[in-house]
Amino acid sequence: GNSVTQMEGPVTLSEEAFLTINCTYTATGYPSLFWYVQYPGEGLQLLLKATKADDKGSNKGFEATYRKETTSFHLEKGSVQVSDSAVYFCALRGSGGYNKLIFGAGTRLAVHP
Amino acid sequence: GAVVSQHPSWVICKSGTSVKIECRSLDFQATTMFWYRQFPKQSLMLMATSNEGSKATYEQGVEKDKFLINHASLTLSTLTVTSAHPEDSSFYICSAKPLANTGELFFGEGSRLTVL
Repeated sequence: GNSVTQMEGPVTLSEEAFLTINCTYTATGYPSLFWYVQYPGEGLQLLLKATKADDKGSNKGFEATYRKETTSFHLEKGSVQVSDSAVYFCALRGSGGYNKLIFGAGTRLAVHP
Repeated sequence: GAVVSQHPSWVICKSGTSVKIECRSLDFQATTMFWYRQFPKQSLMLMATSNEGSKATYEQGVEKDKFLINHASLTLSTLTVTSAHPEDSSFYICSAKPLANTGELFFGEGSRLTVL
């Protein structure tokens, strides 16, 4: 079945450091891929998405490229801020349009001044 | 963006009692709502899919008599944890799919249940 694997956290970085959170997936067909962010005390928010191979999703300085050859969707940001501290979830939705999301375990990011 | 609200945000109850959690889409209509459970330091696990006016579809391993889901209107779904026990303590999150299907889901802020 479909599954998502993302790197374990926590990830601790200094402000302005480069961020990479790895995400790989297993799925049949052509899934859509997502990154969600959960700030402390809040619900999940969609950060970015990509719906087909080689698409790049981007938002708020974060980027992720849908790599079908490596079944990956790694999240990157060139310069993190303290306000980026949150839990990041990689997720996929199988092809066919049904909106059932499969989530990775989440990666906690802590950014220090 | 669209807003989904859950109530209560946290609840403590005694073992054996039932607890109802509401999920409301505040500024849009939702034909489908999803209920997730999140254990500490783990991912969200889909429990069930709730469609307005019909029975919920439960994921394998989720007891439908234990977790009662009702989706009575296009803006409200409820999850009732019946005869709660300490192992039911968890963070429950709902998400809603808008009637105007953009492919995006909107999530509530979650409800933390603690069963003593």
